[in-house]
Amino acid sequence: SYVLTQPPSVSVAPGKTARITCGGNYIGTTSVHWYQQKPGQAPVLVIYYDSDRPSGIPERFSGSNSGNTATLTISRVEAGDEADYYCQVWDTTSDHVVFGGGTKLTVL
Amino acid sequence: EVQLVESGGGLVQPGGSLRLSCAASGFTFSSYWMSWVRQAPGKGLEWVANIKQDGSEKYYVDSVKGRFTISRDNAKNSLYLQMNSLRAEDTAVYYCARPLAAIAFDIWGQGTMVTVSS
Repeated sequence: SYVLTQPPSVSVAPGKTARITCGGNYIGTTSVHWYQQKPGQAPVLVIYYDSDRPSGIPERFSGSNSGNTATLTISRVEAGDEADYYCQVWDTTSDHVVFGGGTKLTVL
Repeated sequence: EVQLVESGGGLVQPGGSLRLSCAASGFTFSSYWMSWVRQAPGKGLEWVANIKQDGSEKYYVDSVKGRFTISRDNAKNSLYLQMNSLRAEDTAVYYCARPLAAIAFDIWGQGTMVTVSS
């Protein structure tokens, strides 16, 4: 089955740029989606189709996807961005949805 | 307002059964695939099942195949998850979610907790 690999944690100072990676075999050939989840809350879609933002998501959130790595980039990080972030794809060979293990973003 | 509201969670003994429901509102329910996603305490997200708009196609994660059944009633704008032969490892918050094409979940419910324990 398809596996997505994320770093368990990323730390960044306020105002700086955070980059969270999602590794997968030839992931650049499929669409990647990203979710933000704060404690006790349901996940929120922040990036879909690699780099599109749903309405209401700040422009500070952006995404890219190429080769074997997709990246969620958060510019000018704020304290309110502290959360768990998950990448996700649809594995069309198995018709299964796959989530990465999640990355805890800490704002220092 | 687009909304998904889950219900039916609770405490159940190993080997027992539970039926979760998800009430949809604010959108044309019958036009969308629908899904269940779960999250064990302190763990990451795990997709559970998908169902096509008319119920003709269903897909499951391997760990629940043969034990869980996803279904829907478009007349009632409702999604269901029948869970049988429950195990301790099924303990999780279960979310109902609406997927866009390429399965990006744009709408999530608040979740319902299922605890499997004796």
